[in-house]
Amino acid sequence: DGGITQSPKYLFRKEGQNVTLSCEQNLNHDAMYWYRQDPGQGLRLIYYSQIVNDFQKGDIAEGYSVSREKKESFPLTVTSAQKNPTAFYLCASNSHNQPQHFGDGTRLSIL
Amino acid sequence: GEDVEQSLFLSVREGDSSVINCTYTDSSSTYLYWYKQEPGAGLQLLTYIFSNMDMKQDQRLTVLLNKKDKHLSLRIADTQTGDSAIYFCAEILGNQFYFGTGTSLTVIP
Repeated sequence: DGGITQSPKYLFRKEGQNVTLSCEQNLNHDAMYWYRQDPGQGLRLIYYSQIVNDFQKGDIAEGYSVSREKKESFPLTVTSAQKNPTAFYLCASNSHNQPQHFGDGTRLSIL
Repeated sequence: GEDVEQSLFLSVREGDSSVINCTYTDSSSTYLYWYKQEPGAGLQLLTYIFSNMDMKQDQRLTVLLNKKDKHLSLRIADTQTGDSAIYFCAEILGNQFYFGTGTSLTVIP
């Protein structure tokens, strides 16, 4: 079945450590997105990519980095500069002007 | 980003109708969407409405759109315990999505 796969489902980060969240899609979508979800705050856009080898900052990009080397993959790195990384991270993808499809999320916690 | 507003909580009794409201900011939005999020999961597309429509019905779901007031609602008929979830409305401008804060629906047996 086509879809978006996020891994791992749960991730723990130590102080000063960078961690990478994986997002893979086999829907042949051009655009991919990363959102952060905190309780009662809805979704906030971190980064998005409309095409391979190009990406743009969203509303809360500080402390995060991404790459888009392949159409189907859009990994998110949470760097040590992100001082409050504990959240639920959602990856989405879509074709132009079509609804976004979401993965099942990765919950990141601090050790 | 755009401000898409929803009330945070709604409780209804099983079998009653639920109405979840949303106000959006840009009348040039082409589509408006409703998503459902169950605990610990991603968002699942429930339904959508094109901006030139006033109403769309899909089984137990009815979407109403008032473009003049920039108001969108989702009515769930005969609400079941399995409908307990967070519901997000979203508007699309260009290829940018703007999501509401989400409404947490609790269905009381």
